[in-house]
Amino acid sequence: GAVVSQHPSRVICKSGTSVKIECRSLDFQATTMFWYRQFPKQSLMLMATSNEGSKATYEQGVEKDKFLINHASLTLSTLTVTSAHPEDSSFYICSATSYTSAQHFGDGTRLSIL
Amino acid sequence: RKEVEQDPGPFNVPEGATVAFNCTYSNSASQSFFWYRQDCRKEPKLLMSVYSSGNEDGRFTAQLNRASQYISLLIRDSKLSDSATYLCVVNVRNNNDMRFGAGTRLTVKP
Repeated sequence: GAVVSQHPSRVICKSGTSVKIECRSLDFQATTMFWYRQFPKQSLMLMATSNEGSKATYEQGVEKDKFLINHASLTLSTLTVTSAHPEDSSFYICSATSYTSAQHFGDGTRLSIL
Repeated sequence: RKEVEQDPGPFNVPEGATVAFNCTYSNSASQSFFWYRQDCRKEPKLLMSVYSSGNEDGRFTAQLNRASQYISLLIRDSKLSDSATYLCVVNVRNNNDMRFGAGTRLTVKP
């Protein structure tokens, strides 16, 4: 089946650091990639939708200058959490879709800001 | 009202039991529906799509009721390995507007 690779799986860093998370579709071309955030015991919350070659569409309440998304190719999207603070600590998951009706998820990145 | 609502549970059932989850959605224009399974601290994995006519995959049966705007998931003969959180997902407009329910936690006990 379709595979989405997300890297890194775990990040621990100091407050003020910028963190980049990569999301790759390994065996299909992802026309659209999504970035989600999940806090403990809560569901996934969509942060932004990213279409290849165009600017990401951010959900209400998500700061686009804080969470930089780049979707440079049909197989790669990156999320950069700029100047991360402890409240940014969360589980970040990307997903990708082509022309099928389901999304395929990466393994997630657990971000801990000290 | 939330766009997608699920009973958070937890549902604690013995092995072999039959358990059912419901999920309601608010947008009548919703086009496609899915159940995902999420294990603790892991990413969601697609369990099954939900078709208008209802569909079955082994011990799992999914149904859609558009008139009442809910979908259901039935698990028969529960296994210990079925313990997970089950997420209801509704796709409002093609693939660019998927909304997740909060998830229903299931624990199957020996």
